[in-house]
Amino acid sequence: DAGITQSPRHKVTETGTPVTLRCHQTENHRYMYWYRQDPGHGLRLIHYSYGVKDTDKGEVSDGYSVSRSKTEDFLLTLESATSSQTSVYFCAIGGTGANSPLHFGNGTRLTVT
Amino acid sequence: AQKITQTQPGMFVQEKEAVTLDCTYDTSDPSYGLFWYKQPSSGEMIFLIYQGSYDQQNATEGRYSLNFQKARKSANLVISASQLGDSAMYFCAMRGSFSGGYNKLIFGAGTRLAVHP
Repeated sequence: DAGITQSPRHKVTETGTPVTLRCHQTENHRYMYWYRQDPGHGLRLIHYSYGVKDTDKGEVSDGYSVSRSKTEDFLLTLESATSSQTSVYFCAIGGTGANSPLHFGNGTRLTVT
Repeated sequence: AQKITQTQPGMFVQEKEAVTLDCTYDTSDPSYGLFWYKQPSSGEMIFLIYQGSYDQQNATEGRYSLNFQKARKSANLVISASQLGDSAMYFCAMRGSFSGGYNKLIFGAGTRLAVHP
């Protein structure tokens, strides 16, 4: 298994509160990604990083910010959580070669009440 | 814009039979890659198989094979000799060329497969 750890695994928070999800990798991989999974939508890319301090938006980035101060850590922050951000969040690494798949963490289930 | 379509929300198959999960895609990139992932009820995402747009032969990995029809823009997953442990959600995904976001995968909505004994 790729060394990817997401924390927390489960979180319940209230609308309007800030939330930070953490992804930690031990593979020294350059590329890291945050996806969210919702029924009927599959996985959708929120943000990704192509190096320390280098990040870019994905298709559903509104309401989210990210930071990557070290190669091994990629943080996803919901500045003011909303019920529409209730989802399962996956961190992934990989993808530097044409046939290189992404490897995913075990996910964080976030519920915003 | 790139898009992945999985038209079968749910499928079922008898144990030991083969099953085909459909995936069609849309892209204007000449170079792309197609991936299939399995997500069991435990929630983890498991990579199954990859097909490159220039690969001459259909990809195979054990009981998994990919029926790649480039002209029809389809990349169907075939699971042979289904097992109870194959019951899971299956996602088709595509990566475009570097200029379009080489290392970002776009996923379909998924197909839930149930294998019956």
